[in-house]
This record gives sequence, C-alpha cells and structure tokens, in this order.
Amino acid sequence: DVKVTQSSRYLVKRTGEKVFLECVQDMDHENMFWYRQDPGLGLRLIYFSYDVKMKEKGDIPEGYSVSREKKERFSLILESASTNQTSMYLCASSLGSQGSNQPQHFGDGTRLSIL
Amino acid sequence: EDQVTQSPEALRLQEGESSSLNCSYTVSGLRGLFWYRQDPGKGPEFLFTLYSAGEEKEKERLKATLTKKESFLHITAPKPEDSATYLCAVQAVGGSSNTGKLIFGQGTTLQVKP
Repeated sequence: DVKVTQSSRYLVKRTGEKVFLECVQDMDHENMFWYRQDPGLGLRLIYFSYDVKMKEKGDIPEGYSVSREKKERFSLILESASTNQTSMYLCASSLGSQGSNQPQHFGDGTRLSIL
Repeated sequence: EDQVTQSPEALRLQEGESSSLNCSYTVSGLRGLFWYRQDPGKGPEFLFTLYSAGEEKEKERLKATLTKKESFLHITAPKPEDSATYLCAVQAVGGSSNTGKLIFGQGTTLQVKP
C-alpha cells in the first residue's frame, strides 16, 4: 500500500512565523503535490513537483514556497504565516513521469491554525 | 473552462437503501476520472480510476461508471460505515495534462443511518 506521511496532524503557529510542513512518501513516486482544503472551496493546488529539485506553481502559490531535495520528501513553507492560511493542508504523490494520469495518493493532512 | 460538478451535495440513506452519486464534468478531453472517499479529519482515500467512456470498476458495495459527460458512483445496500464524503476529480487533456493536475468537485456527503 502507498504510504504518504505528513509530519504533524495539528499545528498552531503565530502570525508572521515561518512554518514548515513536511511530507514523505514510501513508494518511490516521481510526482508530489501540496493542496489546501477549505469548506466551500474544495481542494486547491498550491505547488507540485515532478522530480527532485523541480517545482511548479499550482493555482494558489502566493505566500508559499516548496522544497524537494530528495525524491521521497516534499516540504511546504509558509514564508510569513497569516491568518488566511489557516486551513487543512494535504500532501499527495503519484507514479509516473510529468503529467502522469495515475491516481494521486494522499496523506492524512495537517490542520494548521494561524493565530 | 474545465469544470467538475457533483450532486447531490448531501445524501441521507437508510441502511440497505441503494442510490447513486453523480459527477458531471466539462473538459476539453478526458485523461482520467478519479473517485475518492474522505472521512472527517482525514485525507482522501483513492477508490477508482476510469479512463474511457463505458468503463466500469467495482469494489465491495461501490461501482463506478463513466460516460462522455458524467460518472456515477453506485452504492448498493449501503452500511453505516459507508458514511463519508465522496470526491470526484478529473484530469483533462491540454494544459493540465502536462502537470498531472486534478480538478476536484465539491464532494457529496453521504450519511447512512442504521
């Protein structure tokens, strides 16, 4: 079974802090994704990566950055946290080359609160 | 513009009462349609992938079907443990095909009462 592990289930941070969310997958997947999920807005893609050290902007990249130094690990960084970044953050991975139509497999999410 | 619409938003069933969830999509071309189940406080769990019209997939009490405009998730004789939010997502030909990007619907929240 595919295992996508997010480092924290719940996280509380303060406005202006730099926040790191970590994601690790154990299936040697090429592609990794970061989403946020908000009531009424559904899942929205923040950033994705189809290879080590490669990154692409999704639909809502403002205020975020990412890092992929190793194939199995994809980090989401909130440069200066703001209250409107309070959300559920979901990491996913999928097999195949760039643009693969293989299913994405998700972690259990990090519920982030910015005070 | 590529779009995915799920209906109904919420569905209440009695245990054993079969029904269907709908996912309508408008895309330039379909590369894949995906169904997920999401329990409260958890990430989406992958259920099925459908790639072409006429394709069907089954798993226990769930059966997913696909036409050129929509997909149905049929639930036969549901049990309370089937209660969850069911998400549909589409990968389209064109810009998103170079990225693997999925377009998600808003989901259908299913409650099955004993």
